Amino acid sequence: DAGVIQSPRHEVTEMGQEVTLRCKPISGHNSLFWYRQTMMRGLELLIYFNNNVPIDDSGMPEDRFSAKMPNASFSTLKIQPSEPRDSAVYFCASRRQGVPQHFGDGTRLSIL
Amino acid sequence: AQRVTQPEKLLSVFKGAPVELKCNYSYSGSPELFWYVQYSRQRLQLLLRHISRESIKGFTADLNKGETSFHLKKPFAQEEDSAMYYCALIRDRGSTLGRLYFGRGTQLTVWP
Repeated sequence: DAGVIQSPRHEVTEMGQEVTLRCKPISGHNSLFWYRQTMMRGLELLIYFNNNVPIDDSGMPEDRFSAKMPNASFSTLKIQPSEPRDSAVYFCASRRQGVPQHFGDGTRLSIL
Repeated sequence: AQRVTQPEKLLSVFKGAPVELKCNYSYSGSPELFWYVQYSRQRLQLLLRHISRESIKGFTADLNKGETSFHLKKPFAQEEDSAMYYCALIRDRGSTLGRLYFGRGTQLTVWP
């Protein structure tokens, strides 16, 4: 199993640009989670899906952030427009019932 | 509401010394507890889950329901144990959604 696959691994862009982060969960996993990790705030849950349906998006910082899960094997997290304070490592994780969450390698995002 | 507390943000020990990373939780139901480890600039990896009652890389953790604690212990720390350690819980074992509630993490440094 390839594990949770995130792309890109690194993204550097200028403020105001649209950023799209991608995640492919482990096959057979039906819950998907997006996290943000910063030195200041630690690990924060942004949003999670179950069977492709968003369950709780209360962690999404503001309307500039949006996430979709069009099918069981793909999810995106979009930031538009991006700001320097969005710089962080963004992790995706997936699980199915009875199995712990497995994390991807993360996307290291830098907004200049 | 649930809460996971890791009282030590930083912990340093010398190689060969015992190490204990503290984790306390508050939740009135029957949670499942986990320890995740994150080596420098890598993804979070599952280290232990309390229902498995196993030892991974020499680490053990016992759930103490009376003290609502799930401390992580290792009798002889190694330099390669240097990492960030996160304690986390799922509110109810067998949860369909499996949302994890994380502590703020403890950065362990093992000196040679």
